[in-house]
Amino acid sequence: GESVGLHLPTLSVQEGDNSIINCAYSNSASDYFIWYKQESGKGPQFIIDIRSNMDKRQGQRVTVLLNKTVKHLSLQIAATQPGDSAVYFCAENGNQAGTALIFGKGTTLSVSS
Amino acid sequence: KAGVTQTPRYLIKTRGQQVTLSCSPISGHRSVSWYQQTPGQGLQFLFEYFSETQRNKGNFPGRFSGRQFSNSRSEMNVSTLELGDSALYLCASSFQRNTGELFFGEGSRLTVL
Repeated sequence: GESVGLHLPTLSVQEGDNSIINCAYSNSASDYFIWYKQESGKGPQFIIDIRSNMDKRQGQRVTVLLNKTVKHLSLQIAATQPGDSAVYFCAENGNQAGTALIFGKGTTLSVSS
Repeated sequence: KAGVTQTPRYLIKTRGQQVTLSCSPISGHRSVSWYQQTPGQGLQFLFEYFSETQRNKGNFPGRFSGRQFSNSRSEMNVSTLELGDSALYLCASSFQRNTGELFFGEGSRLTVL
């Protein structure tokens, strides 16, 4: 069935470290993947997206890697800061049109200074 | 530019009642999506509206309904409330369809007693 999951529910890092958050997806038909960040009391915030014709995309301090062979997605955050503490979700489109995204369960990133 | 506005932010209802939640998208955004967020099920897609038409619907019972007005504002309604409907209901808007770059509001937290 369709599912998007994250390998670890929690991740704790020190300020300044690089963080890697992983996600596995099972729907081979998905061709669009997105990462969101949700801070406490707020709605999810778009971070970065990647389409299946790419295997890497970089943003400001973030990089998303896509490995279609093993159906794996990762979000790398460089020089992690306390403000990066949040729950991170990966999402996929399940090869659907529109904005019907399938979200994973989320990884809570805790950054200590 | 004002973000997505959801009202009410918090509400308490009893089983069997009905509830209407409102969402005002970012100015110029024509697509509005609704998601339900619970600790157990995570973020789940409810529906998507574009140009006053429902374009996509998630796997929720018919008690969940919505609509979109000509100014792109949207409402969702849940009738005959059940305890399991307690959740954070998130509205997201986007300029167009077929994008994962959604702008979420802070949500309406519904508690059903």
